[in-house]
Amino acid sequence: DVKVTQSSRYLVKRTGEKVFLECVQDMDHENMFWYRQDPGLGLRLIYFSYDVKMKEKGDIPEGYSVSREKKERFSLILESASTNQTSMYLCASSFQGGTNTDTQYFGPGTRLTVL
Amino acid sequence: DQQVKQNSPSLSVQEGRISILNCDYTNSMFDYFLWYKKYPAEGPTFLISISSIKDKNEDGRFTVFLNKSAKHLSLHIVPSQPGDSAVYFCAASGWGIYNQGGKLIFGQGTELSVKP
Repeated sequence: DVKVTQSSRYLVKRTGEKVFLECVQDMDHENMFWYRQDPGLGLRLIYFSYDVKMKEKGDIPEGYSVSREKKERFSLILESASTNQTSMYLCASSFQGGTNTDTQYFGPGTRLTVL
Repeated sequence: DQQVKQNSPSLSVQEGRISILNCDYTNSMFDYFLWYKKYPAEGPTFLISISSIKDKNEDGRFTVFLNKSAKHLSLHIVPSQPGDSAVYFCAASGWGIYNQGGKLIFGQGTELSVKP
């Protein structure tokens, strides 16, 4: 079974703090993704990576950065947390098969509250 | 521009009856569609998928139908069970759309409530 783990289930931070969210997958997947989920807005892609040290902006990258130094690990960084970044953050990974095998496997999520 | 839309935010169904969740898309380049199920405080889990070369795919109680001409897909759950109560997201992808494969576009989700 694919396993995607996230470093924290719940996190409370203060405005202006630097926040690190870590994600690790154990299936040797090439692709990794960071989403945020907000009520009524579905899952919105923040950043994704298709290889080590490679990153691509998603639909809402402002206020975020990412790091992929190892294949199994993808980090999301909030440089200076703001209250509008309070959300559920979801990490996912998928195999880069070259065909229609784009199934993504998700971690349990991190509920981040910024006060 | 919302390329994948789930127009019903919520759906309530009686246990044992059929649940039908709908999803519309606008981009004709999408060629692979997925449904995910999400419980509160958990990550989404993959449920079922369909390629654009098919119009139906079944897995136990779950069936996904694809109508390419209408750019519409639906998820049928028969019979519905209280444990099916969750938020359901549809998603779409297309290898030819992006430089790298694997990117999914998600709908807003539909919250299904199955009442005993």
